[in-house]
Amino acid sequence: RKEVEQDPGPFNVPEGATVAFNCTYSNSASQSFFWYRQDCRKEPKLLMSVYSSGNEDGRFTAQLNRASQYISLLIRDSKLSDSATYLCVPQVSDKLIFGTGTRLQVFP
Amino acid sequence: DGGITQSPKYLFRKEGQNVTLSCEQNLNHDAMYWYRQDPGQGLRLIYYSQIVNDFQKGDIAEGYSVSREKKESFPLTVTSAQKNPTAFYLCASSKREGRSPLHFGNGTRLTVT
Repeated sequence: RKEVEQDPGPFNVPEGATVAFNCTYSNSASQSFFWYRQDCRKEPKLLMSVYSSGNEDGRFTAQLNRASQYISLLIRDSKLSDSATYLCVPQVSDKLIFGTGTRLQVFP
Repeated sequence: DGGITQSPKYLFRKEGQNVTLSCEQNLNHDAMYWYRQDPGQGLRLIYYSQIVNDFQKGDIAEGYSVSREKKESFPLTVTSAQKNPTAFYLCASSKREGRSPLHFGNGTRLTVT
């Protein structure tokens, strides 16, 4: 089983849509969790950390379910600029484990 | 402004040559990391260092070497022993304490022919 599993997509959605990405991780010792976004041929950039109670940052909401080893990211009111690959990243000890990401394409 | 600087952005080498990729940070972070990314794949950890003069192998360390003589600098050498060196190389840094995300440099795209 892969350490991090994400639907590769692409998710093609119109502007203004709500879209959700899911991620499962295999290591129950994972302590911290992050969502990164990566634009084509660029470095990953931190989108948000994920807290146990779930957290929101503007149009973005992250949820964590430790029992099911599952993380989600919800994007509301999608913008063209949201088009990117979204990486689910659990942290185990001092290492971050990167999934292959889910590609989002927002169209006008 | 604090950040991580990788140079050069693009690098071309002939097969059989060693090449060193530069990574400098002024964020005062203790930990530094090197990742490799191939098309359509996730980031894979090459080496990491939690403190000066100490570093550990990641998942794909074969054919690579690093040094950490200064807190700010973590250069990566891609040796001729690395079978498939053409890739996008990303350097990152973080604070040592828990729940610390990584901050990435802009990356170096290495092409070996």
